[in-house]
Amino acid sequence: AQSVTQPDIHITVSEGASLELRCNYSYGATPYLFWYVQSPGQGLQLLLKYFSGDTLVQGIKGFEAEFKRSQSSFNLRKPSVHWSDAAEYFCAVGALLTGGGNKLTFGTGTQLKVEL
Amino acid sequence: SQTIHQWPATLVQPVGSPLSLECTVEGTSNPNLYWYRQAAGRGLQLLFYSVGIGQISSEVPQNLSASRPQDRQFILSSKKLLLSDSGFYLCAWRDRVSTDTQYFGPGTRLTVL
Repeated sequence: AQSVTQPDIHITVSEGASLELRCNYSYGATPYLFWYVQSPGQGLQLLLKYFSGDTLVQGIKGFEAEFKRSQSSFNLRKPSVHWSDAAEYFCAVGALLTGGGNKLTFGTGTQLKVEL
Repeated sequence: SQTIHQWPATLVQPVGSPLSLECTVEGTSNPNLYWYRQAAGRGLQLLFYSVGIGQISSEVPQNLSASRPQDRQFILSSKKLLLSDSGFYLCAWRDRVSTDTQYFGPGTRLTVL
């Protein structure tokens, strides 16, 4: 079965500093990988996704992520964090379900705090 | 464009009472639909998914059930709520002819007292 590990529960960075959120996955085949962001009391918004091809993917709000098969990682990065980036970030791996559809397995999330 | 709605946004219910949460999707046909629960301090857990009307698959045995009476409507129910049913419930849809991306609704915060 697939799994996702986000080793950092909380991260605090200063506004303008760079950011890297870690994600490691376990999946038997080529994974579909996602990063979502959740503001308090809100649903999840898709930041970016990796299906195949270029291992460096660009997303919304200036985020990017790099797929590294050898390390089973899909870390999220941003060169300069803005105060509005404070939120919870979830990494997920997708897998096909018997009977159709797909299933996302999520990590436990990383809470990002931005200091002004 | 596609939109997904959930209601109610918040709900406070006593233990033992029934539950009905509704999710509807607009702007797409025959989507895959999903119910997730997010407990405090934890990630999201897939509860149910549906690939078509009347087709429901359960991922985790529990006190809840799901139904899909119409193509773009997904309902989460319970006959008798437990304290452990408290959490944030998220509905999601996936366009089966597009990518494997799931898009989430705004969620329902359920508190069982």
